[in-house]
Parts: sequence; structure tokens; C-alpha cells
Amino acid sequence: AQSVSQHNHHVILSEAASLELGCNYSYGGTVNLFWYVQYPGQHLQLLLKYFSGDPLVKGIKGFEAEFIKSKFSFNLRKPSVQWSDTAEYFCAARPNDYKLSFGAGTTVTVRA
Amino acid sequence: NAGVMQNPRHLVRRRGQEARLRCSPMKGHSHVYWYRQLPEEGLKFMVYLQKENIIDESGMPKERFSAEFPKEGPSILRIQQVVRGDSAAYFCASSPDGNEQFFGPGTRLTVL
Repeated sequence: AQSVSQHNHHVILSEAASLELGCNYSYGGTVNLFWYVQYPGQHLQLLLKYFSGDPLVKGIKGFEAEFIKSKFSFNLRKPSVQWSDTAEYFCAARPNDYKLSFGAGTTVTVRA
Repeated sequence: NAGVMQNPRHLVRRRGQEARLRCSPMKGHSHVYWYRQLPEEGLKFMVYLQKENIIDESGMPKERFSAEFPKEGPSILRIQQVVRGDSAAYFCASSPDGNEQFFGPGTRLTVL
């Protein structure tokens, strides 16, 4: 079945460490890609999105993601995390329609 | 501009009761989507509505679940005769044009 998979279920790291979260999708053809973040007790917020063009996408809060078509990947990165980045991160794909297909999420815990 | 509103935030029901979840989209948004998140899983698409019309309900269970988005008022997701397996977080998203989706805080349903 077509899907989105996130490599890590839970990531724990210290402040100032670099973060990379893996995301792979299995849809062929044109696909829009998204990363959402859910801070504790809050709603899902869009971090960044890729529709077309430059495969390196800059988002909010210092996050970026790289679309690698040959690898069907859209990994999320941040060079130096802060305690406030503790949250759950969801990768999502949208093929040629409106339905978002989400990965299972990665819980990121940043230790002060 | 207020974000997507969902109420209640938490809902407890006993088996066999009905659950009604409400979603007020952002002002000017005529597209509404409902997603369900089961424990340890990503969000799964349930239904897509525009004012007074169900566009796609392919993700909705065939029985007991229904959704509406009337001309006036919020979108309602209704679950009749709830069972323990319905316990989940239900998220609503809205969009002005069917492109980017903005999420609400979710309703956490617990069925006793």
C-alpha cells in the first residue's frame, strides 16, 4: 500500500545537537510533501512544505528539509536544537488529490 | 483570524453512547477535513467536506460514523453507539482553497 514511513519512533538528544528525522514515501508521480510539528498540548503546525522547485526547503524555527526524488525521501533537519523543539514531528505526503497521508510520527525529546 | 476550533477538547463516553465532535473552520475556509489518530499511529484521513457536500468519505467506517458541514454552523463528526476501538484523537483541518490545510487542536475521545 502507498504510505509514508518515518524511521525513528523516539529521538532523544541534548541541546545544541543536530537533528535529522527520516521520512520516505512510496507514491509515484507528483507528490506534495509536508512536515508538521505538534508541541505538547498544542495543535499541529506546518513547519515546511515542498511542492516543486528547489529541493532544499527552508521552514520556520530554523528547520529545513531536502527532497531527494531518487530516494523517495524528505528528511527534516535542524543544525542545533533547543529545549523548546521538544515535540512530535509528522511527515505527510499528498499525491494528486487533497488527502494527506501521514507517517506515524517521531517524538523528539531535547534535554537541557 | 482565529485558528481552527474544535470542541470539546476531551470527550468521555460509555460504550453504546453517541459522540458529537465539532469543528469550526477558519474564517473564509470552505473546505473541511477530518482525520483520526489511533495510539502509536499517524493521522488517517476520514472525510473531506465542502459546504453542505461530502466530497470524499472513503476513510470513514461504513457504519456508525457520519459527518456534515451545514451551510451555517460548524462541521460535525458523529459517532453512534461508540465502542472502545473508537478511542482516538480526532483532528479537523480547514483550507481556503483545498491546498494548504490548517489543523485544529483535536478532540480526544475516550470510550469507557
